[in-house]
Amino acid sequence: QQQVKQSPQSLIVQKGGISIINCAYENTAFDYFPWYQQFPGKGPALLIAIRPDVSEKKEGRFTISFNKSAKQFSLHIMDSQPGDSATYFCAASRESGGYQKVTFGTGTKLQVIP
Amino acid sequence: GAGVSQSPRYKVAKRGQDVALRCDPISGHVSLFWYQQALGQGPEFLTYFQNEAQLDKSGLPSDRFFAERPEGSVSTLKIQRTQQEDSAVYLCASSRYGLALKRGTGELFFGEGSRLTVL
Repeated sequence: QQQVKQSPQSLIVQKGGISIINCAYENTAFDYFPWYQQFPGKGPALLIAIRPDVSEKKEGRFTISFNKSAKQFSLHIMDSQPGDSATYFCAASRESGGYQKVTFGTGTKLQVIP
Repeated sequence: GAGVSQSPRYKVAKRGQDVALRCDPISGHVSLFWYQQALGQGPEFLTYFQNEAQLDKSGLPSDRFFAERPEGSVSTLKIQRTQQEDSAVYLCASSRYGLALKRGTGELFFGEGSRLTVL
């Protein structure tokens, strides 16, 4: 079962534009929502993360918006650059047997064109 | 080391062969995870170690998959009698925290993965 649903599957944005990726979850036990960025041939790397007691978190050009009642969260990339071209995974984490178990979405392949 | 190291980076196996994939986590990291990433998909959880103890192996797809971390550092994922559906990138990740977790944390540091192709 897909616990974290992510859309769109792919996204093309012009340089300077805003990239928006959306995710939804079902399990209210999730208590940490990270976004990972993956370049081809590399492992995912943490980009930004948010806890459910906060509605928004901004780090540079990257912002997470979180709607707890709707069980949805999204990543906004402002002033998108060609170097942002990568696959982005939303994720949700919960305590399970004494550790944080992370469940990933299916990914969004972002292409930023000059 | 500076980061999580995985080997081999690429492995081609004939159907029915056994393979072993190695993960060297960041020094001092208590937690170690194995994930399977199919082409165009997100990482899927396989198993979790806290030091040398395998606390969760609920994601292992069959009894052909076996993982170990005998001394609490390097880990090996072994796949016996490989099948074509085992073709994927196998990612290893480590995390500093173990049992005494601060709630709401859990950054994973991933290696570059081992790409397995079963012919």
